[in-house]
Amino acid sequence: DAGITQSPRHKVTETGTPVTLRCHQTENHRYMYWYRQDPGHGLRLIHYSYGVKDTDKGEVSDGYSVSRSKTEDFLLTLESATSSQTSVYFCAISESGTGYSPLHFGNGTRLTVT
Amino acid sequence: TQLLEQSPQFLSIQEGENLTVYCNSSSVFSSLQWYRQEPGEGPVLLVTVVTGGEVKKLKRLTFQFGDARKDSSLHITAAQPGDTGLYLCAGNSGGSNYKLTFGKGTLLTVNP
Repeated sequence: DAGITQSPRHKVTETGTPVTLRCHQTENHRYMYWYRQDPGHGLRLIHYSYGVKDTDKGEVSDGYSVSRSKTEDFLLTLESATSSQTSVYFCAISESGTGYSPLHFGNGTRLTVT
Repeated sequence: TQLLEQSPQFLSIQEGENLTVYCNSSSVFSSLQWYRQEPGEGPVLLVTVVTGGEVKKLKRLTFQFGDARKDSSLHITAAQPGDTGLYLCAGNSGGSNYKLTFGKGTLLTVNP
């Protein structure tokens, strides 16, 4: 299994509070991604990174920011959490950014915003 | 936004039965991936298909990419309880992984 660790695995927070989710990889892969998974919507890309300090927006980036200061770490921040951000968040990595390169996923963070 | 429709959404069968799940789109994809996701875990890649008409086999699982590269199917022979999970297809249209479009998945339950 690819070495991807997401933390925390579960979090409950209140509306309006900031939240940071962490993804740590030991594979030295260049590309990292944050997805959210919701019933009825499937997996949707929030942000991705193609190198240290190189990030870009995905399909559902509003309300989220990311940072990547080291190859191994990719942080997802909800500046002011809302109930609509209750979801399961997955980090993924890939060796290359092509469509032929598989994504390796972490085991997710279940976030509940009350 | 390109859409991938997966059907059926839910499927419950008995051990030993055969099944097929479908992944359809009106868009052409340069490649298509199938993943399986178990409860509490992230998706795991099963296969990537690239060429129109391509057929790939993974033990009891057979994957086919449509000739026009707009659809794909996954056939499981003699299903086992260990096949239980959410099956996701993901199509790539732009040559980059950040352009992957995921279907909503087929939730398969194989009863012993």
